[in-house]
Amino acid sequence: QKEVEQDPGPLSVPEGAIVSLNCTYSNSAFQYFMWYRQYSRKGPELLMYTYSSGNKEDGRFTAQVDKSSKYISLFIRDSQPSDSATYLCAMSATGSSNTGKLIFGQGTTLQVKP
Amino acid sequence: DSGVTQTPKHLITATGQRVTLRCSPRSGDLSVYWYQQSLDQGLQFLIQYYNGEERAKGNILERFSAQQFPDLHSELNLSSLELGDSALYFCASSVNAGSTDTQYFGPGTRLTVL
Repeated sequence: QKEVEQDPGPLSVPEGAIVSLNCTYSNSAFQYFMWYRQYSRKGPELLMYTYSSGNKEDGRFTAQVDKSSKYISLFIRDSQPSDSATYLCAMSATGSSNTGKLIFGQGTTLQVKP
Repeated sequence: DSGVTQTPKHLITATGQRVTLRCSPRSGDLSVYWYQQSLDQGLQFLIQYYNGEERAKGNILERFSAQQFPDLHSELNLSSLELGDSALYFCASSVNAGSTDTQYFGPGTRLTVL
């Protein structure tokens, strides 16, 4: 079983829809949770970053972390065709080694249709 | 543009060969990370260097090695290549070494092993 599970999709929605993307994880040591967006044939870029449990909002994007359920979500409001991309969740643990090692989900491919 | 550069963009080679991938981090970043992205495994952490020293290791094969030079650029060496090594290889950089540091990804090197 992978440490981080993410439904690869694809997910197809009409423009303006609310999109919900999710990941589950098994490692209780994960404290830092990130969402990256990756356009086709490009490198991933950081969208959202949260520490421990709670919500964080940035424009049309909201990230939620529920550590009790080991479940994280990314919501996209008023989705646009330009949001069409692969969304990767990523996590890391704290520790004395203080490394930046990230564990990624498989990525969910999203298509927003005009 | 993340500020991280990778060369070459594409690499086609044969099984059994050896290749070197190069990465230049963003100006001021001391950490360099290497990731492998394949269709079946997703984005996987290989190795992290911080200011010239190895900081963390992931599922990196013994046939693969990396180093970070005094000018902070990094090289990933892949030897005795197999068909299964065909993938996108990403380099990322961050200012420091820890989990809270944003990692900026380069555009990747697409390796095809024939």
